[in-house]
Amino acid sequence: GDSVTQMEGPVTLSEEAFLTINCTYTATGYPSLFWYVQYPGEGLQLLLKATKADDKGSNKGFEATYRKETTSFHLEKGSVQVSDSAVYFCALMDSSYKLIFGSGTRLLVRP
Amino acid sequence: NAGVTQTPKFQVLKTGQSMTLQCAQDMNHNSMYWYRQDPGMGLRLIYYSASEGTTDKGEVPNGYNVSRLNKREFSLRLESAAPSQTSVYFCASSRRNLGTNNPEAFFGQGTRLTVV
Repeated sequence: GDSVTQMEGPVTLSEEAFLTINCTYTATGYPSLFWYVQYPGEGLQLLLKATKADDKGSNKGFEATYRKETTSFHLEKGSVQVSDSAVYFCALMDSSYKLIFGSGTRLLVRP
Repeated sequence: NAGVTQTPKFQVLKTGQSMTLQCAQDMNHNSMYWYRQDPGMGLRLIYYSASEGTTDKGEVPNGYNVSRLNKREFSLRLESAAPSQTSVYFCASSRRNLGTNNPEAFFGQGTRLTVV
C-alpha cells in the first residue's frame, strides 16, 4: 500500500542554518504531495504542496520539489528561524483521495 | 467560517465505555478523514470518506466505526474503549476538484482522549 517515510528527528539547528528534511514515498500512480506543519498544541497546517512531477511547492521560505524518478519530496529552507521550531509532516494523497502521513520530524532551532 | 470543528476537545473514558467524536466542516468539502496521533507514530489514518455516502478503512480501523451523516459531518465512534485508544484524534476535510487536482486538507484542533 501507499506509504511515506521521513527522516527521524529531532533535527536541531542554529538560527540561520540550512534545513533539509528528507521524505520519500511509495504509491501507485501519481499522488499529490504535501508538507504540513504542527505547532505545539495545535492541529496541522498546510505548508506547501505539489501535484505533479517536477512541480516545486514553496511557502514562507520553505521549498520542496516533486521528484518522481527518486520518489522524493525533500523539504528545504535556506535560513531557519527560532519560530520555525515545530513538527513537520510529509504526506501524499492518492487518486482515491486517501491521505497518508509520514511519522513527522521535530525541528528545534536554537537562537 | 469556522473551518473544521471537532467536539469535544478533551475526554476521559473508562475502559469499556462508548463515545462518539463529532466533526463538522463548513467548507463544502467532499472528503473527510479521521486520524489518531501518538508520540513517535505520526498521524495514522483510521477511516476516511471520499464523498458523501462512502466510507473506507484506513491504516488502523480496528475498534472504531464511522458515520458520514451528511456532507458536513463525519463522526467517529468507539464502541468499547480500551487504554490502547488513548490518543489525540484529528478530523480533516478536503475539497475535490476533478480536473484541477487541488486536494488541500484542513484540520480540526484535535480531541485528546484518555481511556483509563
